[in-house]
Amino acid sequence: EDKVVQSPLSLVVHEGDTVTLNCSYEVTNFRSLLWYKQEKKAPTFLFMLTSSGIEKKSGRLSSILDKKELSSILNITATQTGDSAIYLCAVVPFNSGGSNYKLTFGKGTLLTVNP
Amino acid sequence: GAVVSQHPSRVICKSGTSVKIECRSLDFQATTMFWYRQFPKKSLMLMATSNEGSKATYEQGVEKDKFLINHASLTLSTLTVTSAHPEDSSFYICSAPEISGTTYNEQFFGPGTRLTVL
Repeated sequence: EDKVVQSPLSLVVHEGDTVTLNCSYEVTNFRSLLWYKQEKKAPTFLFMLTSSGIEKKSGRLSSILDKKELSSILNITATQTGDSAIYLCAVVPFNSGGSNYKLTFGKGTLLTVNP
Repeated sequence: GAVVSQHPSRVICKSGTSVKIECRSLDFQATTMFWYRQFPKKSLMLMATSNEGSKATYEQGVEKDKFLINHASLTLSTLTVTSAHPEDSSFYICSAPEISGTTYNEQFFGPGTRLTVL
């Protein structure tokens, strides 16, 4: 069974701090790893990582995948109160059957950024 | 990016009634859609995979007679919570992967439906 573990489960920081969120996985036939941010409604897509060692960047957020270590990190620099959310990591397996594209989510990291 | 809609966004019902939630892919076809349930400040729990033209695949522990799924067309899946009880109150979210040929692009989420059973 595919497994995704995120750490820490929750984190409280002050505005301006830099945070690193971790995600490790065990999956048969890995396809991709995705990061999502969830505030009050449905998750919004941040990054999709397929290749090891290539950093993806969007503003103050960046992420990288390490296939050797079966893990990924999400970095947020100069955090703002608007970054407060649950950050979800999910993996997509490469299956040939009906479970294609089924995401397995980690439990998420609840990030709180205080002013 | 692609858009997935859900309707209704919020529903309050009495115990014992059935509630239908719709999930639509608005600008792409989705042969597969996924239904999740989420409790406050918790991660998404996959309930079932909805397959166009065939039966849904349920995750372990999810009652298929309780949560009926119908994938009526390439753009619509419905989840019916039958004989709802207060413990069914939750946030229900659907998602659909956007696939071009054999390339998996991204998975898009609907905005969710907040179900409250009194």
